[in-house]
Formats: sequence, C-alpha cells, structure tokens
Amino acid sequence: GDSVTQTEGQVALSEEDFLTIHCNYSASGYPTLFWYVQYPGEGPQLLFRASRDKEKGSSRGFEATYDKGTTSFHLRKASVQESDSAVYYCALSDLNSNNRIFFGDGTQLVVKP
Amino acid sequence: NSKVIQTPRYLVKGQGQKAKMRCIPEKGHPVVFWYQQNKNNEFKFLINFQNQEVLQQIDMTEKRFSAECPSNSPCSLEIQSSEAGDSALYLCASSLRRAQNTLYFGAGTRLSVL
Repeated sequence: GDSVTQTEGQVALSEEDFLTIHCNYSASGYPTLFWYVQYPGEGPQLLFRASRDKEKGSSRGFEATYDKGTTSFHLRKASVQESDSAVYYCALSDLNSNNRIFFGDGTQLVVKP
Repeated sequence: NSKVIQTPRYLVKGQGQKAKMRCIPEKGHPVVFWYQQNKNNEFKFLINFQNQEVLQQIDMTEKRFSAECPSNSPCSLEIQSSEAGDSALYLCASSLRRAQNTLYFGAGTRLSVL
C-alpha cells in the first residue's frame, strides 16, 4: 500500500542553520507529493506540492524536488528562523486512493534563537 | 488562514456518551474528509464524501461513527458511544476534486473522553 517515511522525528537547530528533513515514499501509481506544516493549535496547512518527476516545489524559502528514481521528496531550507518551529509532514496522494492523503509521522522542528 | 470551519474547538465527554462535531468546508469544495490525529501526531483517515455521497471509510467509522454531509448544512461526525481511545484531534478537510488534489484543513475539534 501507499506510505510515507520521514526519517527524523525531531530536529533541533539554531537560527540561520541549514535544514534537511528526509522523506521517502512508496506508491503503486504516480503520486502527487506534498509538504504540510502544522503550528500548535492549528490544522495542517499546505507548504507546497509537486506532481511530476524532477518538479521542484517551494514556498517561504522551503523547497523540495520530486525524485521518482530515489522515491524521495526531501525538504530543505538554507536558513531557518525561530518562526519556522512547527511540525512538518510529508504526504502523498495517489489517483487510486480517492484523494485520500497518506501522511508521514511528522518531524518536529525546534529552532532556537 | 483556513476557510474550513470546525466547531466546537474543544469537546469533553464521558465514556459511553455521544460526541458530535461539525465542519463547514471551504466554499465550492465538494469533497470533504475527516481525519483523526492522535497525541503522537499520527493521522488516521476516517471517511470522505463527495457532496452527500460517501467515497471511502474505514471499518471503525462504519461501526462506531456516523458521518454525513447534507446539502446546505454543515458536515458532521458523531461518535455513537465514546471510548477513552477516541481522545484525539479530529480534523476536517476539503478539496476541489477527488484525485491528487490539495486538502485544506480546519483547526480541528479536540475531543477528550474522560
């Protein structure tokens, strides 16, 4: 079945550090990939998405490139800020899944000033 | 800011009681989803609708939960007889289309079953 694996459960950084959160997926078809961010007390909100191999999604300095060969969609940001502290979810949606989205377990990012 | 409106934000029930929560999807979005998010941040898909029709639901939802999305009224999710394990954040989301489309989430209803 479809699934998403995020390697890091928690990442602690200082402001201006480089961020990488790893995401690998498994899907029967050609899925659309998403990064969502969830702040305390709120629902997840879309950061960006990508639908084709080699497509790059980006928003607010975050970016990820769809890589069908390695089945990955790693999230990166060159310089994090304290306000980026949140939980980040990699997710996928497959044509065969009635738009049901499969989420990874999430990565808690803590950025210290 | 999310345009999916969920009420109430917090719900406290005793075991065996009914628990009902509502969702107004974003205007023009015919597809609605309910997810359960536990304290470990794990998401569990419960059910989704297109207009008033159920597209997919899991066994648990079929047996203990009831959900509907009537026309011109909020969607709702009701737990018939709450259990301690039902304590979680219940998230409603809507989208424009069925396939591979972005989900827009509400802020959720946090249910505590004592």
